[in-house]
Amino acid sequence: DQQVKQNSPSLSVQEGRISILNCDYTNSMFDYFLWYKKYPAEGPTFLISISSIKDKNEDGRFTVFLNKSAKHLSLHIVPSQPGDSAVYFCAASRYNQGAQKLVFGQGTRLTINP
Amino acid sequence: NAGVMQNPRHLVRRRGQEARLRCSPMKGHSHVYWYRQLPEEGLKFMVYLQKENIIDESGMPKERFSAEFPKEGPSILRIQQVVRGDSAAYFCASSATATGELFFGEGSRLTVL
Repeated sequence: DQQVKQNSPSLSVQEGRISILNCDYTNSMFDYFLWYKKYPAEGPTFLISISSIKDKNEDGRFTVFLNKSAKHLSLHIVPSQPGDSAVYFCAASRYNQGAQKLVFGQGTRLTINP
Repeated sequence: NAGVMQNPRHLVRRRGQEARLRCSPMKGHSHVYWYRQLPEEGLKFMVYLQKENIIDESGMPKERFSAEFPKEGPSILRIQQVVRGDSAAYFCASSATATGELFFGEGSRLTVL
């Protein structure tokens, strides 16, 4: 029962262009969503989050969009840089629940081509 | 940089042996979480501990797996009588509070031959 799904295992984008990573969820009780970035042989690091009271959150080159009716969120990176090449995980939970309630997607491997 | 420290980074075991994975949380963090990542899958929660207590082990397999976080020393994830299906990356994370930001270690990669 995959409650959080990232249907694209990989994505290749040219440097300078926009990268769009997608994530779908099935549990309507989720109201807090996070994106993590993971380099090879390292642990995931927190990137950006959004709560369900918003539909957009921006931090520098990174913007997360949330469409509650579609149960869909996306991460936009613009402009994409070679250092953005990594695996990106989305995760969902209920706000103020413990981290043990975080449900992760399978990840999308983003490759930025020079 | 006193981040979350995991060791060993790589561990190879034969079927039936025991695997012990260690995690030292970030300084000042008393909440520790273990996750497992199977190939081509996301991270799956296993167990949540707070000094000397198991708070939530709902993600732990019922047999062969155990975890502890003693008063002194690192948290330990122990897998007895390993099988090939235990081959995975095991990540530890810590936080300062129960709902605080998670900081992950670099992971321990277990290979069972």
